Amino acid sequence: AQSVSQHNHHVILSEAASLELGCNYSYGGTVNLFWYVQYPGQHLQLLLKYFSGDPLVKGIKGFEAEFIKSKFSFNLRKPSVQWSDTAEYFCAVNAANRDDKIIFGKGTRLHILP
Amino acid sequence: DTAVSQTPKYLVTQMGNDKSIKCEQNLGHDTMYWYKQDSKKFLKIMFSYNNKELIINETVPNRFSPKSPDKAHLNLHINSLELGDSAVYFCASQQTGQGVFSYNEQFFGPGTRLTVL
Repeated sequence: AQSVSQHNHHVILSEAASLELGCNYSYGGTVNLFWYVQYPGQHLQLLLKYFSGDPLVKGIKGFEAEFIKSKFSFNLRKPSVQWSDTAEYFCAVNAANRDDKIIFGKGTRLHILP
Repeated sequence: DTAVSQTPKYLVTQMGNDKSIKCEQNLGHDTMYWYKQDSKKFLKIMFSYNNKELIINETVPNRFSPKSPDKAHLNLHINSLELGDSAVYFCASQQTGQGVFSYNEQFFGPGTRLTVL
């Protein structure tokens, strides 16, 4: 069965700091990978996704994520965070080429101090 | 203890039928959501309820009607099911916070796989 681990439950950074949120998954086959973001008071939105091709994926608002197959990881990065990046971030995975449910990580709460 | 539960987990039905999916949360949260995992595997918001009041109603056919009998439940009723309704539907709950820095984790249900034949 697939599972997703987000090791950082709560991250606090100052503006302009660099960000990396960890995500590891367990599944032996080919996967689709996602990062979703939920801003305060809002619903979940797609930040970026990886299906195939270049393992370095660029998303909205300056975010990127790198798929490292050997490490079963899909870490989210941003070189310089802003106060408006304060949100909850969810990593998710599902088996590629199969009609499977998305499996979510527990989320990482990111607090950016102005 | 299951925080957010959905029933049924699997639902197979014929076109034209009416069906309901139930969601219950035992976390005391005041906000609940329905999301649809579409054919491209993306999760899309459908509805959001806060304290039994509809907050978000995205562009969803009016065959879909959410019902929140109380804060702990948000059910999704679908009339006249169509082939394109086949998908996985996720329920989620959250306690809304006060102020910019106050928000809480969103908890997801296990999903309901709906197959329309």
